[in-house]
This record gives sequence, C-alpha cells and structure tokens, in this order.
Amino acid sequence: KAGVTQTPRYLIKTRGQQVTLSCSPISGHRSVSWYQQTPGQGLQFLFEYFSETQRNKGNFPGRFSGRQFSNSRSEMNVSTLELGDSALYLCASSFMGETQYFGPGTRLLVL
Amino acid sequence: KNEVEQSPQNLTAQEGEFITINCSYSVGISALHWLQQHPGGGIVSLFMLSSGKKKHGRLIATINIQEKHSSLHITASHPRDSAVYICAVSPNSGGSNYKLTFGKGTLLTVNP
Repeated sequence: KAGVTQTPRYLIKTRGQQVTLSCSPISGHRSVSWYQQTPGQGLQFLFEYFSETQRNKGNFPGRFSGRQFSNSRSEMNVSTLELGDSALYLCASSFMGETQYFGPGTRLLVL
Repeated sequence: KNEVEQSPQNLTAQEGEFITINCSYSVGISALHWLQQHPGGGIVSLFMLSSGKKKHGRLIATINIQEKHSSLHITASHPRDSAVYICAVSPNSGGSNYKLTFGKGTLLTVNP
C-alpha cells in the first residue's frame, strides 16, 4: 500500500496570504489528524477528521481550518498567515483507532 | 508544568548498550504513544499502549497507569537508532486516541 502523502512538501508564503495543504491517507484509513511542529512549541495537535466530520480540534485560532472529503483525503487551510505559522505540518492516518501512519510533512515558511 | 515530561532530554550511548527513555504524565489518559523522528522530519509511530508492555524487535514499551509513567527501552542499540523519541498521550477528555499532547522529545545518539 502507498503511504500517507502530503503536498506540497515545501512552501514559501508571505504574511497575510493564505495557504492550503493536502493530505492523502493510506487507502482504507478514515481518520486523518493534523499536527504542527515548531522549534519553540514542539508538536501540537491541530485537528482530527473521521468520515468527513471534525472529531477533535486543538487550541489553535480560527485561522486554522480543515476538511475531509468522501475519499478521506484531507486539506487544511491557514488564512492571514503570520510569521509564527512557519512550521512543519504533519498529517497522519489510521484505521479504526489503531497505529497512526505519518506523512512526510509540509514545511511552510512565512516571510 | 508540562502535562508530559520526558527524561533525559539528550542521551548518548555506545553501540550495543541498553537504553531507557522515561515519560511521565499528569492527566488521565486513554492511550500513550511512542514516536520516532529522524532528521528531516519523518515520524514513525512505534507503540500505542494503554496498559502493560509491548515489544517490537529490539524495542520494548511499558506503562504503569497508577504511577502515570512509561518507559521505552532499546536493547542492543545501533547507530541507526539515533533519532528523537517522543512520548505523547491521549487525555481521557479528548474523545480520541489521536488528540495528542506531546513531550519535548529525547534526542538519542548512538555512536559506533
């Protein structure tokens, strides 16, 4: 089976812009979670989707949003980018509450 | 105080040594995860456990729910084990095994 894929892998944006990141889970996995990793805060949970419904949300402002499609692919969107949004964004998929499989991440740089 | 504390922060070992990384947490949990992150960012989930002990190859993870403590052991360490090891918990209130709170990680370097 193909692993979790994320696109794009690298992205440079400027403050005030918006960005959309994409995650394709392993075939058959219906749960997709998103995480942010920064040098200062480490890894933080953003949100989790299951069967097109947001099941959980972390402590991030409303500028961070996401969605999941019927084929389980997920997108996350960050509007009005700030310098502090520069991070590695990771998604992970799982089947029925079992081990998560992580994608390679999207590295976002906000200038 | 962080909800998840790991020790040590950094660990250097010689090839073949037995390694232990510790994780303490302060909240009720539904599951505890051990993750491995190599340089470049890729993360691999090593274990998800809610009680007892799990073993996979040279890796062993244990958890003591009463003491809110978990350990990750690596037997016969090898330079390819060099990575950051991250402990994460799923709080009981989270409603999901994946609403994780993470520790800051332990950087392990295994020298040949």
